[in-house]
Amino acid sequence: QKEVEQNSGPLSVPEGAIASLNCTYSDRGSQSFFWYRQYSGKSPELIMFIYSNGDKEDGRFTAQLNKASQYVSLLIRDSQPSDSATYLCALAIRNYGGSQGNLIFGKGTKLSVKP
Amino acid sequence: DGGITQSPKYLFRKEGQNVTLSCEQNLNHDAMYWYRQDPGQGLRLIYYSQIVNDFQKGDIAEGYSVSREKKESFPLTVTSAQKNPTAFYLCASSISPLNNEQFFGPGTRLTVL
Repeated sequence: QKEVEQNSGPLSVPEGAIASLNCTYSDRGSQSFFWYRQYSGKSPELIMFIYSNGDKEDGRFTAQLNKASQYVSLLIRDSQPSDSATYLCALAIRNYGGSQGNLIFGKGTKLSVKP
Repeated sequence: DGGITQSPKYLFRKEGQNVTLSCEQNLNHDAMYWYRQDPGQGLRLIYYSQIVNDFQKGDIAEGYSVSREKKESFPLTVTSAQKNPTAFYLCASSISPLNNEQFFGPGTRLTVL
């Protein structure tokens, strides 16, 4: 059973701090990983994806992947109240004998950035 | 504007009724997906389609049906066989079946009365 685990939170950080969101997974064959942001009552929005070990930076966001330890994380620098949302981690899997790259989602971590 | 649209935004259904949720995209994406999200839960895959006139069951397909007669459209029917249909339904698309970057529509919130 392939699984994606996230701490449900809430994770509370003060405005301007670094928020660190973590995700662990069980499928060693997974090659690509995705972070989505979901505001309350809204649909998920793709923030970042990462395929290779190491760090990938995009503005205030940094994704980190460690395949040996099977975790992926998202750092948000200079956190703003507008970053308050649930962050979903997803990994891509292959179906048995197929080519379709479906996503397995974690339950999400709720982030609250306090002014 | 390119994007994914879902309608209606809110839908109320009486027990025993079938309802159809609409999903349309003008991104020229080949692959489309339907997910269900329950409170405090991750997204669960209902059905997906890699190409026109083809679709596959996801993890929780029982009580649902889909069609893919046009590239742009992937409607989902929630049948009376679905025992707990109240949920937030999300449609997504990706440029190809091998590309995992999925983009979501705004969602339809279905409530069974």
